[in-house]
Amino acid sequence: SAVISQKPSRDICQRGTSLTIQCQVDSQVTMMFWYRQQPGQSLTLIATANQGSEATYESGFVIDKFPISRPNLTFSTLTVSNMSPEDSSIYLCSVDPSGIYNEQFFGPGTRLTVL
Amino acid sequence: DAKTTQPPSMDCAEGRAANLPCNHSTISGNEYVYWYRQIHSQGPQYIIHGLKNNETNEMASLIITEDRKSSTLILPHATLRDTAVYYCIVRGGNDYKLSFGAGTTVTVRA
Repeated sequence: SAVISQKPSRDICQRGTSLTIQCQVDSQVTMMFWYRQQPGQSLTLIATANQGSEATYESGFVIDKFPISRPNLTFSTLTVSNMSPEDSSIYLCSVDPSGIYNEQFFGPGTRLTVL
Repeated sequence: DAKTTQPPSMDCAEGRAANLPCNHSTISGNEYVYWYRQIHSQGPQYIIHGLKNNETNEMASLIITEDRKSSTLILPHATLRDTAVYYCIVRGGNDYKLSFGAGTTVTVRA
């Protein structure tokens, strides 16, 4: 299993600014994932972040808008850049500790509101 | 292109079994069926997964039809804390990605 914490838990930001979200895991994991959940919607995968390599982004998401860092096996950050109200969402990180594509564990999420 | 189809919502009575259907008629031989749930204001939680045999754990049972085109998640004794959105996901054996659909909003009533 894995216990995941995220900071901040929520934030209200002004348009045009950037916010960095932190994801901390209590064990070393190879694969970490970042998701977005827009209001009333399901989860959408933004990118996969593996330690030691560039993040892999899904269609519709670009590095300039959502830069990701993965400095070690227990930590990752997602930055939401040049925010607009359309970026208001819950951002979640998840991990697959087994590495054999069984159970993914999710963090509690960061609720972002952009004014 | 959704791989699964679920009813948008369902109600069930506390203490009764909740049977959540999922259609996945285009599932291929190496794809698994996963179930996750998301309780309000929390991240999704893994429930169970299976390939072709029925599976049971402490949370639920997963019944997969012989042709694998549909499945049912069974919560044996639903409680109010089981109120959540339940997601049925089809995922390949070598695919690390989870693709969430709209899910089924389950409301357990006292």
